[in-house]
Amino acid sequence: AQSVAQPEDQVNVAEGNPLTVKCTYSVSGNPYLFWYVQYPNRGLQFLLKYITGDNLVKGSYGFEAEFNKSQTSFHLKKPSALVSDSALYFCAVRDPQAGGYNKLIFGAGTRLAVHP
Amino acid sequence: KAGVTQTPRYLIKTRGQQVTLSCSPISGHRSVSWYQQTPGQGLQFLFEYFSETQRNKGNFPGRFSGRQFSNSRSEMNVSTLELGDSALYLCASSHVRDFLGTDTQYFGPGTRLTVL
Repeated sequence: AQSVAQPEDQVNVAEGNPLTVKCTYSVSGNPYLFWYVQYPNRGLQFLLKYITGDNLVKGSYGFEAEFNKSQTSFHLKKPSALVSDSALYFCAVRDPQAGGYNKLIFGAGTRLAVHP
Repeated sequence: KAGVTQTPRYLIKTRGQQVTLSCSPISGHRSVSWYQQTPGQGLQFLFEYFSETQRNKGNFPGRFSGRQFSNSRSEMNVSTLELGDSALYLCASSHVRDFLGTDTQYFGPGTRLTVL
């Protein structure tokens, strides 16, 4: 069965410091992995995705993520956090071998708090 | 290009009633998916429509249904509302360039449904 785990409910970081939001996954085949961000009373905004190729994926707003197949992880990173990055972050997986076309399986979400 | 739009944004209903939510996808997108977001269960896939056909369905009771029109606009309906149906309902649209699910899903702002 497909699943996604975000082990931290909340991550606190000081503005200007690097940030990491963790994600691990479990799928039967090669995964398609996504990161989304949600601001209060808003829908989900797409940040980046990994389909195949280079393990380091660059996305919107200076975010990047590294796909690690051996550790089944897809951690989201940013070199220098901004207060405006404070939001709820979701990791999601799609297993192409499981069918399901556009069915995304989401993690529980990690709340990122960036302090001035 | 306009994003995904959802109407209404907020809705209050009482138990036993039914409700219809509407989603207009990004122009050119033919796939529309629906998700339910609650504090307890997180983000859960409801169903996906492509070319007016339901391609995939999540693990929800038959009270939840949907349809897609020839212009790709989609509606979802919930009949005999229960208190537990209170949630943010998110619609997402995407291209379908292949049938592996590599395309990004773009989300609307959601409809917040409150069942009293």
